[in-house]
Amino acid sequence: KAGVTQTPRYLIKTRGQQVTLSCSPISGHRSVSWYQQTPGQGLQFLFEYFSETQRNKGNFPGRFSGRQFSNSRSEMNVSTLELGDSALYLCASSPGAGTATNEKLFFGSGTQLSVL
Amino acid sequence: QKEVEQNSGPLSVPEGAIASLNCTYSDRGSQSFFWYRQYSGKSPELIMSIYSNGDKEDGRFTAQLNKASQYVSLLIRDSQPSDSATYLCAVRGTTTGNQFYFGTGTSLTVIP
Repeated sequence: KAGVTQTPRYLIKTRGQQVTLSCSPISGHRSVSWYQQTPGQGLQFLFEYFSETQRNKGNFPGRFSGRQFSNSRSEMNVSTLELGDSALYLCASSPGAGTATNEKLFFGSGTQLSVL
Repeated sequence: QKEVEQNSGPLSVPEGAIASLNCTYSDRGSQSFFWYRQYSGKSPELIMSIYSNGDKEDGRFTAQLNKASQYVSLLIRDSQPSDSATYLCAVRGTTTGNQFYFGTGTSLTVIP
């Protein structure tokens, strides 16, 4: 079974630009979550999508948005990039509607975003 | 107060020793607990999950859960240099859509 696939692996952008990151979950998984990871803050939750609906949202500004398609693939968009947005962006998938004991997160390799 | 707290370390142990990693959480109703391992420059990898009080063993890894004390730990027996990584504790909350909360991680170095 293929794992979680994130593209691109690396991105370099300049301040003010926008960026779109892509995530394909494990086959059969309907939940996709996005996290931002920085050395000082650890893993910060951005949002979660389940069946094309945002089910959960972290404390990030509106510049960060996402969506999920009918095939469960998800995209995350960051508009008007700031230097502080430089981070590793991780996508994680899970079945999404199972019992507590089978809801595990499986991470993709991440997209390393550098904002210059 | 953070939802999940870990000692950031760094923790250094000699090869063959037992490494002990600890985590506390704030949501008393949480039922699902996880340990992830993250090598430098890589993404987190699930290594253990635990749902009931007590110990759960998987090879050299043992997860321990005490819900009354809101405490989760991970023991790594016969530590190997390949165990050198950052270990993240994760807890699935019971509010705001059962969100997963992560600690900031404990950096472990196993010295040959």
